[in-house]
Amino acid sequence: NAGVTQTPKFQVLKTGQSMTLQCAQDMNHEYMSWYRQDPGMGLRLIHYSVGAGITDQGEVPNGYNVSRSTTEDFPLRLLSAAPSQTSVYFCATTGGTLLTDTQYFGPGTRLTVL
Amino acid sequence: RKEVEQDPGPFNVPEGATVAFNCTYSNSASQSFFWYRQDCRKEPKLLMSVYSSGNEDGRFTAQLNRASQYISLLIRDSKLSDSATYLCVVILSGSARQLTFGSGTQLTVLP
Repeated sequence: NAGVTQTPKFQVLKTGQSMTLQCAQDMNHEYMSWYRQDPGMGLRLIHYSVGAGITDQGEVPNGYNVSRSTTEDFPLRLLSAAPSQTSVYFCATTGGTLLTDTQYFGPGTRLTVL
Repeated sequence: RKEVEQDPGPFNVPEGATVAFNCTYSNSASQSFFWYRQDCRKEPKLLMSVYSSGNEDGRFTAQLNRASQYISLLIRDSKLSDSATYLCVVILSGSARQLTFGSGTQLTVLP
């Protein structure tokens, strides 16, 4: 039982490049989210999904796309990387309701955009 | 004004000390509250939920003050292993869009 996995762990991109951050979970959780964490700021929600085929925008969605074709996978796509997207990205899942249940985070992807 | 505010610290305390952190929130309709712990360059992990009546888990005590709109975390008998950043989480409803993380309070426990 791996929990939540993210790949890659580190990535350096040049401005304008695109890439996909992978997130997978084996806990059969319906709720999945992507956050970014910047120094001095709390985790900010990028996109989230309440189940396969359903996604919605969070607080900072611009420049990112997501899809949810299966319960297990929730990839985050950077369309045209910008230096402002340099950050640590965390994927998280919840089994039940966010009001009462734990969010489980992946180990993060550290992205640098030059 | 930020929706959720925490003193960033750092709090540097000796082993065995008692330390307390506060987290204030702006929306009085907030329903759920949590404390997460984040070690350096690692992912956040749930430390404890915060219940209206207050709750304790070993050396950790969480309190909620709805009138003043803050939650607190008290750590007694600090251990070196308690060194981490503590994030408060405030949830307005069951939607991920209404879940807000504080920016964290950094704690270093010194030998």
